Amino acid sequence: DIVMTQSPDSLAVSLGERATINCKSSQSVLYSFNNKKYLAWYQQKPGQPPKLLIYWASTRESGVPDRFSGSGSGTDFTLTISSLQAEDVALYYCQQYYSTPYTFGQGTKLEI
Amino acid sequence: QVQLVQSGAEVKKPGASVKLSCKASGYTFTSYYIHWVRQAPGRGLEWMGIVNPSGGNTTYAQKFQGRVTMTRDTSTSTVYMELSSLRSEDAAVYYCARSYSYYSWIDFWGQGTLVTVSS
Repeated sequence: DIVMTQSPDSLAVSLGERATINCKSSQSVLYSFNNKKYLAWYQQKPGQPPKLLIYWASTRESGVPDRFSGSGSGTDFTLTISSLQAEDVALYYCQQYYSTPYTFGQGTKLEI
Repeated sequence: QVQLVQSGAEVKKPGASVKLSCKASGYTFTSYYIHWVRQAPGRGLEWMGIVNPSGGNTTYAQKFQGRVTMTRDTSTSTVYMELSSLRSEDAAVYYCARSYSYYSWIDFWGQGTLVTVSS
């Protein structure tokens, strides 16, 4: 199984400041045939199901504010929130969909 | 609009089985795969498996092999997940969620079903 490890486990950022969450996979999730990185990011608020933010490591889902961005290589990925808003307080998860089981990171709790 | 409506909360005894449902609407049922993901209280997300509503093919996480069965009913656009031999560690919120293909991100989630396992 591909192990996904996020860092940090929790993060406190001031309003308007940048937040950076890292995700590392135990093996590459880059498929050389199409040069796609099989990595997604989700946001989960208390009592709600997760919500898709980013797929293909850097493609923003429709309707997601442009302050959210994703980047990374085959094994190291980053979710960046450029200017933190109050509504961004949540848990954030990365997930690889390169091979089953489609494993998630342990989550990062983002606070103000 | 897309909806994945899950069945209500369940309370089961250890050793019992639970069968959850996930009714899809607002899109072509057979065009999207359905995943099951669970989340124990205060814990992270755990992927359990995937079912193709078109052909019924399934892939389960090794951890759940032999205990989980995912099926679908195309006449009612409903997917089912049955988990047997329940233990306390199976207490969790169970989500169904869809993706447009087998190797694809999840783009929409159901509201979740709470399963409690207690004697």
